[in-house]
Amino acid sequence: QKEVEQNSGPLSVPEGAIASLNCTYSDRGSQSFFWYRQYSGKSPELIMFIYSNGDKEDGRFTAQLNKASQYVSLLIRDSQPSDSATYLCAVNGPGANSKLTFGKGITLSVRP
Amino acid sequence: DAGVIQSPRHEVTEMGQEVTLRCKPISGHNSLFWYRQTMMRGLELLIYFNNNVPIDDSGMPEDRFSAKMPNASFSTLKIQPSEPRDSAVYFCASSHTDSGELFFGEGSRLTVL
Repeated sequence: QKEVEQNSGPLSVPEGAIASLNCTYSDRGSQSFFWYRQYSGKSPELIMFIYSNGDKEDGRFTAQLNKASQYVSLLIRDSQPSDSATYLCAVNGPGANSKLTFGKGITLSVRP
Repeated sequence: DAGVIQSPRHEVTEMGQEVTLRCKPISGHNSLFWYRQTMMRGLELLIYFNNNVPIDDSGMPEDRFSAKMPNASFSTLKIQPSEPRDSAVYFCASSHTDSGELFFGEGSRLTVL
């Protein structure tokens, strides 16, 4: 049974700060890692994915993956009030028909 | 392009009634997923289909739940009989096979009284 754990949160940061969101996973065979953002009352949407160890940057977002330690994180630089949302970590295993397992999410609040 | 379309957006029903949720995936996507989201349990995968064939239904809570995908453009999730603990937001999502990029519908909020 794959498990994906996220910090319980909520997380509150001032505008302009760096928000750091962490996620650990139990299945060492996991191959693909995703961050979804979900605004209140809306559906999740993909914002980042990472497959290899190291960092991947996309604008103000950086995903970090460490397979040896089985964690993946998301950094949001220059946080904006519009970043206030729940962030869901999701993990996919190897092989065809592997299903995506989501963490429970962490709610980020960016204070103006 | 139209996204994943779900109906109804909101459903309020009484315990024991049958509930049918509907989903139209994005054209060309060959995987379809049904998720349930609650505050307590987060986003849980109920069942997913690949090329209209159910691949994994291990997340379906019990026999009261059933899902079908008669063709590539339509799927239903049925709960019969419904119970108050089924109250949740039910999301349908679609993707290309083996892609982790799921495209979610707006969800169906179910309240069972």
